[in-house]
Amino acid sequence: QLVLTQSPSASASLGASVNLTCTLSSGHSSFPIAWHQQQPEKGPRYLMKLNNDGSHSKGDGIPDRFSGSSSGAERYLTISSLQSEDEADYYCQTWGTGIRVFGGGTKLTVL
Amino acid sequence: EVQLVESGGGLVQPGRSLRLSCTASGFTFGDYAMSWVRQAPGKGLEWVGFIRRKAFGGTAEYAASVKGRFTISRDDSKSIAYLQMNSLKTEDTAVYYCTRDYGGLPDYWGQGTLVTVSS
Repeated sequence: QLVLTQSPSASASLGASVNLTCTLSSGHSSFPIAWHQQQPEKGPRYLMKLNNDGSHSKGDGIPDRFSGSSSGAERYLTISSLQSEDEADYYCQTWGTGIRVFGGGTKLTVL
Repeated sequence: EVQLVESGGGLVQPGRSLRLSCTASGFTFGDYAMSWVRQAPGKGLEWVGFIRRKAFGGTAEYAASVKGRFTISRDDSKSIAYLQMNSLKTEDTAVYYCTRDYGGLPDYWGQGTLVTVSS
C-alpha cells in the first residue's frame, strides 16, 4: 500500500535552516513526490516535484530558499534562511496508477 | 495566469446532494487531468478523485471513502470540472479544492469552497 509518513511537527529559528522529511512506504522508494505548502487560513500551494535521484523542479515563483533532496525512501524539503511567512503546514504527495496520496503533513513553527 | 475557482459549496443535510464546479482559466483545460482534494476542519489534505483528459479516455478514479457516492465530470468546452456529491455524510464536511493535475501532481490549486453537511 502506497503511504507517505511525515512527522507532525517541526520548529526552527528565524534565519536558520530546517529539513522536513517524507518517507515512502516499503516497495515504493523509487517514487517521485511533490511538496505543498499551506500557510494559515490559506489554500495549499505547490512547491516542487522531487525525484528519487534528488533532482527537483519548482513551481512558479518559489524562492531559491526552498530545495529538495532524496535518499532511498526518504524525501526532504530544505528551507534555508527561514522567514516568518514560512510558518505553515507542509504536505508531501505522490501518485500511482489511478491513485493520489498525501502525507499527514508537518506543522512548521518559526521561532 | 492559471486560475482555478471553485463554487457551489454550502450547507446541506445528510443524505442530500450537492454539485461543485471548478472554473479554469489561463491554460488549455483539455490538455490536463483535474483533481479534487478536500480538507476537513483541523485536518490534513485528503485526495478525493481525479478525471483524466479526453485523450486518455476522460475516465475518473476515486478514493475509497467516496467511491460510489461522488462523480467527477468535465466540460472542456467551458473549461469546467464538476464534483457531484450524493448521499452526503457528516464526515464529508470539508473545504474542497480543485487542482490541475500535471502527471499525477497538483501544480495549481483553487482557493477552495466549504461544504458543511449537517442537519
